[in-house]
Amino acid sequence: GQNIDQPTEMTATEGAIVQINCTYQTSGFNGLFWYQQHAGEAPTFLSYNVLDGLEEKGRFSSFLSRSKGYSYLLLKELQMKDSASYLCAVRDKYGGATNKLIFGTGTLLAVQP
Amino acid sequence: EAGVTQSPTHLIKTRGQQATLRCSPISGHTSVYWYQQALGLGLQFLLWYDEGEERNRGNFPPRFSGRQFPNYSSELNVNALELEDSALYLCASSPGDRATGNTIYFGEGSWLTVV
Repeated sequence: GQNIDQPTEMTATEGAIVQINCTYQTSGFNGLFWYQQHAGEAPTFLSYNVLDGLEEKGRFSSFLSRSKGYSYLLLKELQMKDSASYLCAVRDKYGGATNKLIFGTGTLLAVQP
Repeated sequence: EAGVTQSPTHLIKTRGQQATLRCSPISGHTSVYWYQQALGLGLQFLLWYDEGEERNRGNFPPRFSGRQFPNYSSELNVNALELEDSALYLCASSPGDRATGNTIYFGEGSWLTVV
């Protein structure tokens, strides 16, 4: 089956660091994405990992371990505007073609002063 | 460069009616995806079109259908609307099936309310 798990909610303090974990089980794998979604808005792309390791982009970093079916999104120097839902998505791969993105239900992050 | 555009932004329909939602992908993108996001729920995959063909379909009843036009724009049709169809419908596009590492970009979505 296909399954992506993330914590439902997290709370962190402004200026701190928070790590949002994602585990996945899919029939195929062709990349893992992280999206940020503010309430009532469309998801916006944050990061993409297809090889094991850490991808850093400013205050945001994403890590992937394909053997463990595990990824995390690391947010540093948290700001109030980082309060949003963070979506982990896996691009499944079936046969020779890439396939759809399968989304987790998202982690709602609340940043407190 | 224009992003993914969707119309209408908001749509109110009564139960049993049909709704049509439209999407224009980013220029040069040939793949279009449709997702449903009901209030408080995650994104649920609906349909994937590439090069005018339906490539994959999520676990939704047949009254959810769509198509992709030669210019790669797409429309989603929902027939016999039910109250639980009320949701944000998101369209996304990517450069295409055969290119690896393609990021998928979302439009702002169409809010469908069924009363």
